Amino acid sequence: KQEVTQIPAALSVPEGENLVLNCSFTDSAIYNLQWFRQDPGKGLTSLLLIQSSQREQTSGRLNASLDKSSGRSTLYIAASQPGDSATYLCAVCGSSNTGKLIFGQGTTLQVKP
Amino acid sequence: NAGVTQTPKFQVLKTGQSMTLQCAQDMNHEYMSWYRQDPGMGLRLIHYSVGAGITDQGEVPNGYNVSRSTTEDFPLRLLSAAPSQTSVYFCASSQGAYQPQHFGDGTRLSIL
Repeated sequence: KQEVTQIPAALSVPEGENLVLNCSFTDSAIYNLQWFRQDPGKGLTSLLLIQSSQREQTSGRLNASLDKSSGRSTLYIAASQPGDSATYLCAVCGSSNTGKLIFGQGTTLQVKP
Repeated sequence: NAGVTQTPKFQVLKTGQSMTLQCAQDMNHEYMSWYRQDPGMGLRLIHYSVGAGITDQGEVPNGYNVSRSTTEDFPLRLLSAAPSQTSVYFCASSQGAYQPQHFGDGTRLSIL
């Protein structure tokens, strides 16, 4: 059974720092991995999707990497801003036709001005 | 561009009552799904649909029904509400099962 773990559960950094969020999964047979952002009381916003054949994806100040063989992904946020404060979730999609996402518990990020 | 719209945003029910959570998307997406989010459990898939007329069960389907008569709408029905169904419910859609998924803002449901 696929399990997704995100460490740390919470992170507080001063504005301007570069930071890395970690995601690990137990079954390397994945189709893709997605990183989402969730603001309090809101839905999830898709940030980046990495296909299993890819090593990384970039969008603006965000860079996500994927090492399928070791079951790990990282989300790198450059030059963090207070507006980046949110919960970040990673989710893996298994190799089936269900599109089922298995989510981690998330990392809650606070960026202090 | 509305995206994925969920109604209602909040609802309080009594045990045993039934209700339907509405989900509509205006992006002509084939794939739609329902998740529930609970503290300590994360998001879990309830039901999903790969197109109009086709639905299937996810990880936690008991106590819920779905139907997909149109591409746009994917309602979730609680047959007989139980306190264990107190949760935040999210609807999502995507162009295909493996494409980035777009989530609605959720329905916060309390069962007394």
